[in-house]
Amino acid sequence: GQNIDQPTEMTATEGAIVQINCTYQTSGFNGLFWYQQHAGEAPTFLSYNVLDGLEEKGRFSSFLSRSKGYSYLLLKELQMKDSASYLCAVRDPRGYSTLTFGKGTMLLVSP
Amino acid sequence: ETGVTQTPRHLVMGMTNKKSLKCEQHLGHNAMYWYKQSAKKPLELMFVYNFKEQTENNSVPSRFSPECPNSSHLFLHLHTLQPEDSALYLCASSPTGTGGDTIYFGEGSWLTVV
Repeated sequence: GQNIDQPTEMTATEGAIVQINCTYQTSGFNGLFWYQQHAGEAPTFLSYNVLDGLEEKGRFSSFLSRSKGYSYLLLKELQMKDSASYLCAVRDPRGYSTLTFGKGTMLLVSP
Repeated sequence: ETGVTQTPRHLVMGMTNKKSLKCEQHLGHNAMYWYKQSAKKPLELMFVYNFKEQTENNSVPSRFSPECPNSSHLFLHLHTLQPEDSALYLCASSPTGTGGDTIYFGEGSWLTVV
């Protein structure tokens, strides 16, 4: 089975930096995804990591350590529109495309 | 606009009703998925179709019946549901259904069972 843990809620201030952590225990590993989901909207793809290290994409970066079963999503220069739920997910280790999700971290950005 | 369109966006149905959710993807993908999102719970995979063939049924009760007539369309037929089935049902698609894909979600259908 697969188990994914992430904090339930986080708060931060506009312009600040926030790090959302995700830990996972899986029987194998085939990649980790981060999605953003605004209330009432579709989850949208943010980032993908399959090798150790940092992937940077504009204001968002994602880090992976496979040996520690750990990832984080780093959001810089926070904006009000970044208030959303951030979902950590791992791909099926059998090589299929299906994803197993964590419960999501609700981020509230305040002025 | 994600390229994955779901209708209806909101549905209220009684426990004895029969209704269907529809999903259409305009991305040329060959794999389609149904996920369920309940309050305070992770997204749960329900069904997977690759090239119109069902490849995964994640122990979903038979009151949920999927149908995939072609690679662009996916339905979820609902019959004699329970109030605990009230949730957001998300359709998704990906290019091939194999490792290496990124999954793209629709905006979901909010289902309330009364």
